[in-house]
Amino acid sequence: DIVMTQSPESLTVSLGERATINCKSSQSILNSSNNKNYLAWYQQKPGQPPKLLIYWASTRESGVPDRFSGSGSGTDFTLTISSLQAEDVAVYYCQQYYSIPYTFGQGTNLEIK
Amino acid sequence: QITLKESGPTLVKPTQTLTLTCTFSGFSLSTSGVGVGWIRQPPGKALEWLALIYWDDDKRYSPSLKSRLTITKDTSKNQVVLTMTNMDPVDTATYYCAHRRSDSGARYFDLWGRGTLVTVSS
Repeated sequence: DIVMTQSPESLTVSLGERATINCKSSQSILNSSNNKNYLAWYQQKPGQPPKLLIYWASTRESGVPDRFSGSGSGTDFTLTISSLQAEDVAVYYCQQYYSIPYTFGQGTNLEIK
Repeated sequence: QITLKESGPTLVKPTQTLTLTCTFSGFSLSTSGVGVGWIRQPPGKALEWLALIYWDDDKRYSPSLKSRLTITKDTSKNQVVLTMTNMDPVDTATYYCAHRRSDSGARYFDLWGRGTLVTVSS
């Protein structure tokens, strides 16, 4: 299984400041045949299902604010929120869909300072 | 507008079989590339992918649970059913079904149901 490790587990950021969440896979999830990284990011607010933010490591889902961006390749990935808003308080998960089982990170809990 | 909704028992006893139904609208599971997956989340814990069924009836399972899972679809009813045998208290979780869009190679989930909490207890 590909293990997805997120850091930090918890993050406190002031409103308007940048938030950075890291995700590391135990093996490369870059498909060299199409040069795509098989990684997605989700946001989950309390009592709600996950919401897709980013796929293919850096493609923003339709309707997601452009303050959310994804980057990275191979085994190291980052989700960045450029200017934190109050509504961004949530748990964030990365997911690899390169190989079965499609595994998620343990989550990063983002709070407002 | 795509919607998905999970239904099934909220409480099952150890060793029993769990049957969950995902009823969806806004898409057809006969459309090329489309899929529906199941993901679960124990209380306060992370997400775990369980199974995925494609429009052509191809099925994928988590290897660690494969012997206990069966996923099927009823295209005419717009439903996907997941059965899990030999339930144990560690299987207590919120079970989600989710839509997989027809993006080649994509096994991410763009839309999710609200989930159903299943508790395993005698």
